[in-house]
Amino acid sequence: GNSVTQMEGPVTLSEEAFLTINCTYTATGYPSLFWYVQYPGEGLQLLLKATKADDKGSNKGFEATYRKETTSFHLEKGSVQVSDSAVYFCALGGGSARQLTFGSGTQLTVLP
Amino acid sequence: DVKVTQSSRYLVKRTGEKVFLECVQDMDHENMFWYRQDPGLGLRLIYFSYDVKMKEKGDIPEGYSVSREKKERFSLILESASTNQTSMYLCASRPEQGRGTEAFFGQGTRLTVV
Repeated sequence: GNSVTQMEGPVTLSEEAFLTINCTYTATGYPSLFWYVQYPGEGLQLLLKATKADDKGSNKGFEATYRKETTSFHLEKGSVQVSDSAVYFCALGGGSARQLTFGSGTQLTVLP
Repeated sequence: DVKVTQSSRYLVKRTGEKVFLECVQDMDHENMFWYRQDPGLGLRLIYFSYDVKMKEKGDIPEGYSVSREKKERFSLILESASTNQTSMYLCASRPEQGRGTEAFFGQGTRLTVV
């Protein structure tokens, strides 16, 4: 079946530091891959997505590249801000499943 | 702007009460989902529905039931609330499968059972 393994947190960075959150997946076929963000007290919002190998999703300075050879979809940002403090979830959709499969989430705290 | 709306942001209920959590989406999506979110456990799927009156169990259905009488509305029911059901509940919807179709989430309901 489908599964997502996500880098465990929490992650604490200083403002303007480089961010990487690792995500690897197991799936049959060619899944679509997603990153969601959850700000404190809120629901999840789509941050970016990629639907095929070598696609790069990007939004708000965040990027992730769909790497089929390493079954990975790592999230990166070159310079984080305090406002990026949130929980980040990697997810995949694929096969016959109607639901997305989520990773366990990574708590990011950015200090001024 | 697409919307998934959950009826309450915060709820406090007593042990043994029957609790209804309501979710409405305005995107004409076929699929709707209920998750619970607990620290260290991520999102766990309780139930989902792929059509009116159709439902399927997720990973943790025990102690819950659902109702989908209209396409836009999906209700989660705690038959007899217990303290271990204190959690954040998230509703989501998703169109019928297609490549790259994401799920859209409501703002969440934080339920406390005392």
